[in-house]
Amino acid sequence: AQSVTQPDIHITVSEGASLELRCNYSYGATPYLFWYVQSPGQGLQLLLKYFSGDTLVQGIKGFEAEFKRSQSSFNLRKPSVHWSDAAEYFCAVGGSKSTFGDGTTLTVKP
Amino acid sequence: DAGVTQSPTHLIKTRGQQVTLRCSPKSGHDTVSWYQQALGQGPQFIFQYYEEEERQRGNFPDRFSGHQFPNYSSELNVNALLLGDSALYLCASSYRDTGYGYTFGSGTRLTVV
Repeated sequence: AQSVTQPDIHITVSEGASLELRCNYSYGATPYLFWYVQSPGQGLQLLLKYFSGDTLVQGIKGFEAEFKRSQSSFNLRKPSVHWSDAAEYFCAVGGSKSTFGDGTTLTVKP
Repeated sequence: DAGVTQSPTHLIKTRGQQVTLRCSPKSGHDTVSWYQQALGQGPQFIFQYYEEEERQRGNFPDRFSGHQFPNYSSELNVNALLLGDSALYLCASSYRDTGYGYTFGSGTRLTVV
């Protein structure tokens, strides 16, 4: 069965600092991997996705993620965080019938 | 270009009642998936509709049922509501079942009292 673990429930970073959100997955084949962001009271917005090919994936809002098969990881990164990035971030695996992690809440300090 | 539209945005129901939630997919999308997101958790897949048929189903009881109409819009029905059904219900649409990522609506917040 596929599963996703986001080890960090809550992360606080200062505005302008770099960010890395961790995601580990379990999947029987080459995974489809996604990162979504959810602002309070809103639905999920797709940040980026990985299907195959280049293991470094660029997304919207300056985010990127790197797929590491040997570590079963798909960590999300951003070089310089903005206050508007404060939200909840979800990693997901699978295509249709996606399995989501429980999310990481990002707080940005001024 | 409208995204995914869900209605209502909030509702409160009593235990044992039935509820219907509605979803209009993004223009050009023909596949609708429903997710349940409990407080503090990630979304959990309920089921997916394509060509007016349920194609895949997650680990949810038969109290959860759905329908897709010829215009691709969809309904989620929950019978015999339990307190544990309180959650944010998200609808997501895509073109075919490509798995290329979904467009999510803002959800319906269901509270069961």
